[in-house]
Amino acid sequence: AQTVTQSQPEMSVQEAETVTLSCTYDTSESDYYLFWYKQPPSRQMILVIRQEAYKQQNATENRFSVNFQKAAKSFSLKISDSQLGDAAMYFCAYRSDSGGSNYKLTFGKGTLLTVNP
Amino acid sequence: EPEVTQTPSHQVTQMGQEVILRCVPISNHLYFYWYRQILGQKVEFLVSFYNNEISEKSEIFDDQFSVERPDGSNFTLKIRSTKLEDSAMYFCASGKGLAGYNIQYFGAGTRLSVL
Repeated sequence: AQTVTQSQPEMSVQEAETVTLSCTYDTSESDYYLFWYKQPPSRQMILVIRQEAYKQQNATENRFSVNFQKAAKSFSLKISDSQLGDAAMYFCAYRSDSGGSNYKLTFGKGTLLTVNP
Repeated sequence: EPEVTQTPSHQVTQMGQEVILRCVPISNHLYFYWYRQILGQKVEFLVSFYNNEISEKSEIFDDQFSVERPDGSNFTLKIRSTKLEDSAMYFCASGKGLAGYNIQYFGAGTRLSVL
């Protein structure tokens, strides 16, 4: 079974600074997808960024980028120019690409990000 | 922008009572999911639903749980006899089911409090 580990329960960053959230995962599969979801205080999870395992190029979405190291099974999220609205719980998630998985997501425990003004 | 809606936002019930949590997925989506998050813990998969039947369920999803899509728009999770340990945030999600990303869109959740 796949597992996702987020080793940082909490992180804080100053507004306008850069912060990196860590995520590692364990799988024996070669084809899969990785996601970062953001869960603000309203508690609706919002997709931040996604990465296909077969792509070597790291995904970027505006101020958000990932450092995907497939061999190390590492998938960190970098937030540049942090804004107060980035404060939220961030979840790393894994999704198998095998046909029998029905696309369920396996989540890490989350990292609570605080942005200080 | 289409979104997944869940009702109620908060449900309080007595132990042993039945509860039904409701979800309206995004209209052109084919795959439907329930997840739960016990306070302070990770989000856990409960069940996936496709083509009007359960396609996968976790160990958590025992005989006390059931899901159905009664009218082609709603997607419900029923807990027949609630236990204290069922207290959690329950999230509904839906996805198109296309090969590739199949991004899951989540609702805001229903907080279930079992007293």
